[in-house]
Amino acid sequence: DTGVSQNPRHKITKRGQNVTFRCDPISEHNRLYWYRQTLGQGPEFLTYFQNEAQLEKSRLLSDRFSAERPKGSFSTLEIQRTEQGDSAMYLCASSPTLARDTEAFFGQGTRLTVV
Amino acid sequence: RKEVEQDPGPFNVPEGATVAFNCTYSNSASQSFFWYRQDCRKEPKLLMSVYSSGNEDGRFTAQLNRASQYISLLIRDSKLSDSATYLCVVNPREPLVFGKGTRLSVIA
Repeated sequence: DTGVSQNPRHKITKRGQNVTFRCDPISEHNRLYWYRQTLGQGPEFLTYFQNEAQLEKSRLLSDRFSAERPKGSFSTLEIQRTEQGDSAMYLCASSPTLARDTEAFFGQGTRLTVV
Repeated sequence: RKEVEQDPGPFNVPEGATVAFNCTYSNSASQSFFWYRQDCRKEPKLLMSVYSSGNEDGRFTAQLNRASQYISLLIRDSKLSDSATYLCVVNPREPLVFGKGTRLSVIA
């Protein structure tokens, strides 16, 4: 499968624990995006990378959230001291260039439940 | 005003019906527009880009009205398989900005 891959698909964690998600984009896609989606809402932008450089972070991304893309390939999104409000689907997308010029391909997402 | 606004629906239509969704955007500098489709508990997938002159792909027609800052999606001859959430996507800058989506249910 050469699509965007996200792991794990599901994560249940206790409030206060740290979690880390991984995204493997389509190879050679230099743009990688993280979005969060809750029920009844569209995807909300969190952050994005061009290669290994993190170019923008949303105000939604509190200091408990951190994302990396160390070698310009896969990316990780870490949430520290999780809260119940962090429960959502976390979506990763990649594109070969600016998303405004081309299609963004999404992974199947990681569904986080904080109990 | 939100960057992208859509009527959440749901739109419940019988098979074979024609249905249209509108989406308004606030940033007049927006250059790129898309419709994405999202099935229940699945990831969004590109349905079609929206070009200034309007464009058609089979039963789907997308139009852009820059003066009024809205885009539309028309679905003709609705199929059961068209049941999904349709996300309006605007790109005034990187990254893509998504609307909340419009839910469509096509009923037999």
